Amino acid sequence: GENVEQHPSTLSVQEGDSAVIKCTYSDSASNYFPWYKQELGKRPQLIIDIRSNVGEKKDQRIAVTLNKTAKHFSLHITETQPEDSAVYFCAASSTSNFGNEKLTFGTGTRLTIIP
Amino acid sequence: NAGVTQTPKFQVLKTGQSMTLQCAQDMNHEYMSWYRQDPGMGLRLIHYSVGAGITDQGEVPNGYNVSRSTTEDFPLRLLSAAPSQTSVYFCASSVLLGQGDTEAFFGQGTRLTVV
Repeated sequence: GENVEQHPSTLSVQEGDSAVIKCTYSDSASNYFPWYKQELGKRPQLIIDIRSNVGEKKDQRIAVTLNKTAKHFSLHITETQPEDSAVYFCAASSTSNFGNEKLTFGTGTRLTIIP
Repeated sequence: NAGVTQTPKFQVLKTGQSMTLQCAQDMNHEYMSWYRQDPGMGLRLIHYSVGAGITDQGEVPNGYNVSRSTTEDFPLRLLSAAPSQTSVYFCASSVLLGQGDTEAFFGQGTRLTVV
């Protein structure tokens, strides 16, 4: 089965600086890579995703890059703000008859923005 | 539109007791899943279902049963609770986006303690 590793487990950055979280996956059949954000005491929510036919995707201050050859993908947050403090999970999935519904998650990164 | 509703939010069980965690969604999603979240281990898939009457095992199914008699409901049963099942449990339902991409909508979680 798929195995997703995520680093670092904790990350602290000054407000306004950039944050980068990295994930690697093992299954070359994986072709869909979403990122979820979980604020303290809340449920995880999808913030951005990327498919394997795209190398980079951007949405305002967040971007995700994918290197299929090396089997790794990264989340980049620029101009960090206090509300970016949360736990971030990467995930990977391969296409089944239904779609990319079966997600394997990384272990999470606790991001803290220092005012 | 309530989304994904989980009950209860908190539960304390004694070792050996059984219980059912309830999950209901009103978005008419075919795919539903149960995850457990443990510190340093991310979200691990317990069981999932691609539609009414169809269930399958995830990464950590031992000690848990599921059934899917309707599209809306996907209860998780703990057969004989053990301290190792102390965790936060999340139910999710998923919608298909373009190209087979999916977005998982999570319930608010159930914090279970087995003593």
